[in-house]
Amino acid sequence: SQTIHQWPATLVQPVGSPLSLECTVEGTSNPNLYWYRQAAGRGLQLLFYSVGIGQISSEVPQNLSASRPQDRQFILSSKKLLLSDSGFYLCAWSVRSGSTGELFFGEGSRLTVL
Amino acid sequence: GQQVMQIPQYQHVQEGEDFTTYCNSSTTLSNIQWYKQRPGGHPVFLIQLVKSGEVKKQKRLTFQFGEAKKNSSLHITATQTTDVGTYFCAGDSGGYQKVTFGTGTKLQVIP
Repeated sequence: SQTIHQWPATLVQPVGSPLSLECTVEGTSNPNLYWYRQAAGRGLQLLFYSVGIGQISSEVPQNLSASRPQDRQFILSSKKLLLSDSGFYLCAWSVRSGSTGELFFGEGSRLTVL
Repeated sequence: GQQVMQIPQYQHVQEGEDFTTYCNSSTTLSNIQWYKQRPGGHPVFLIQLVKSGEVKKQKRLTFQFGEAKKNSSLHITATQTTDVGTYFCAGDSGGYQKVTFGTGTKLQVIP
């Protein structure tokens, strides 16, 4: 069966520090991969999505970046965090097909920038 | 860009009352999905609708996709405390695998 792992689960970082969140999927090949951010009590904002290795579509460039070094690995990074980067970061995957299907989410990473 | 709005933003109901959330997209969608997120958790898939005018039911939940494929609704009959959470619609408008989520409706059920 397919599983998605996301880490770290919680982190507290100072303003200006770097960030790296990692997500891996097991049990499937060629998945679509997504990064969403959810501010407290708010909706899900699409940050990046990827339909293949090295193929990253950015929705909110700002100071965040994403990479997909392997088929089932998706990394979210920042060189210098801002206070506004605080939030709940969710990685998700879906089966790659002609139309978008169900998204499977990881448990999320809760980031607090102080 | 594509925007997906949901109303209401919040809804408090007495247990046993019905609940409906509405989803409206600024662009035509190829499909619509619905998710439920419990407090502190991650969104969990409920259903996907693909056809214009499609209606699907899951026990007390009824999902509808509009004729123009730009709006959708989720109706819960006789709410229970286990229905508490935030309900999101989500869709993509061109089959490009980009999934945009609605603003969400937070449901609180009063026992």
